[in-house]
Amino acid sequence: SQQGEEDPQALSIQEGENATMNCSYKTSINNLQWYRQNSGRGLVHLILIRSNEREKHSGRLRVTLDTSKKSSSLLITASRAADTASYFCATGPSGGYQKVTFGTGTKLQVIP
Amino acid sequence: DAGITQSPRYKITETGRQVTLMCHQTWSHSYMFWYRQDLGHGLRLIYYSAAADITDKGEVPDGYVVSRSKTENFPLTLESATRSQTSVYFCASSAGNHQETQYFGPGTRLLVL
Repeated sequence: SQQGEEDPQALSIQEGENATMNCSYKTSINNLQWYRQNSGRGLVHLILIRSNEREKHSGRLRVTLDTSKKSSSLLITASRAADTASYFCATGPSGGYQKVTFGTGTKLQVIP
Repeated sequence: DAGITQSPRYKITETGRQVTLMCHQTWSHSYMFWYRQDLGHGLRLIYYSAAADITDKGEVPDGYVVSRSKTENFPLTLESATRSQTSVYFCASSAGNHQETQYFGPGTRLLVL
């Protein structure tokens, strides 16, 4: 069963614009991670945010976590064509270190 | 170059044949994972291993067998391939537990005819 669900499923923006994608989940979590997957490649870890954190930054990435709403958002600022990829959230359920669950992803296209 | 590698990268086989997908990591990570990725399903965990000689089922283990005799290797065997096992298979490793950063291999595209 899918714990995290990304929204939107697909997003197309112009280079230089910001891209925002969201992840909603159902049960309490220890942490939430975001991964990127370029076409035909493996997933690459972007950022991990723990349940006691509200916001985290890494370069042009900003992740927020709202545990009361059971949702997270990933913001990519000043997007580049190289940001074209699928983005997945992965939730780590609370109650010990249980298996993470990946969502079905948001496909981002950045048009040059 | 260090990292996590998978072989073969592409494989075509026939229904009923046994197929083994290889995964090798050079970091001595304790945890290793096998996922399959299908359109509309995201990544689903097949099997994982917490250490050498310790393996456990994930979400979709039926039809698959794993072993881990050495820390660095985690092969996945399809005992009798079926068309429904056509997928892209990813191996991953993690230094800590399930919920720490996972490092993914490049994937194996498997087609079962």
